[in-house]
Amino acid sequence: EAGVTQSPRYAVLQEGQAVSFWCDPISGHDTLYWYQQPRDQGPQLLVYFRDEAVIDNSQLPSDRFSAVRPKGTNSTLKIQSAKQGDTATYLCASSFSTGQLYFGEGSKLTVL
Amino acid sequence: QQKVQQSPESLSVPEGGMASLNCTSSDRNFQYFWWYRQHSGEGPKALMSIFSDGDKKEGRFTAHLNKASLHVSLHIRDSQPSDSALYFCAATQSSNTNKVVFGTGTRLQVLP
Repeated sequence: EAGVTQSPRYAVLQEGQAVSFWCDPISGHDTLYWYQQPRDQGPQLLVYFRDEAVIDNSQLPSDRFSAVRPKGTNSTLKIQSAKQGDTATYLCASSFSTGQLYFGEGSKLTVL
Repeated sequence: QQKVQQSPESLSVPEGGMASLNCTSSDRNFQYFWWYRQHSGEGPKALMSIFSDGDKKEGRFTAHLNKASLHVSLHIRDSQPSDSALYFCAATQSSNTNKVVFGTGTRLQVLP
């Protein structure tokens, strides 16, 4: 069974540039999460979906971050006008009913 | 915002020794727990869950939950160098899939 796939693995931007991260969850998983993980810190929840619906985006910086999951399968996280403070690894995870999260390898963002 | 605090921040144990990690949730609505482990360059992987008061053992790993104090611990016996990683406690509102809040993390180093 294929795991959670994320791309790109790495991105390097200048401040003010935009970037999109893509996630393909495990087939059949209805819940998809995006986390931000600064270096050597715990993952911090940005947003999660059940099917195509946003369940909680209270920690998503809405002025520059957006996330969609239009068909309830793949998802895209976009950062507009990136800042140095956005430097982190962006983790996608999926789950179905058991509560266990399955993570991708992450997309490591560096903002110069 | 829900917080999950872990201690210690870092821990070194000799190969074959016992490692003990601690975690406390600040929100009584989040009283179901998972332990995850993250090796460098990878996404976190689930080790085990614990939802009821008391002990739960899976191989070399034993988790203990005290719901009254919202405190959970993880004990790793016969530690191996391959156990060297970041360990996260994650708290959730139920045993099913929903909002999952990760702790601050403990870095474990097992010395050969």
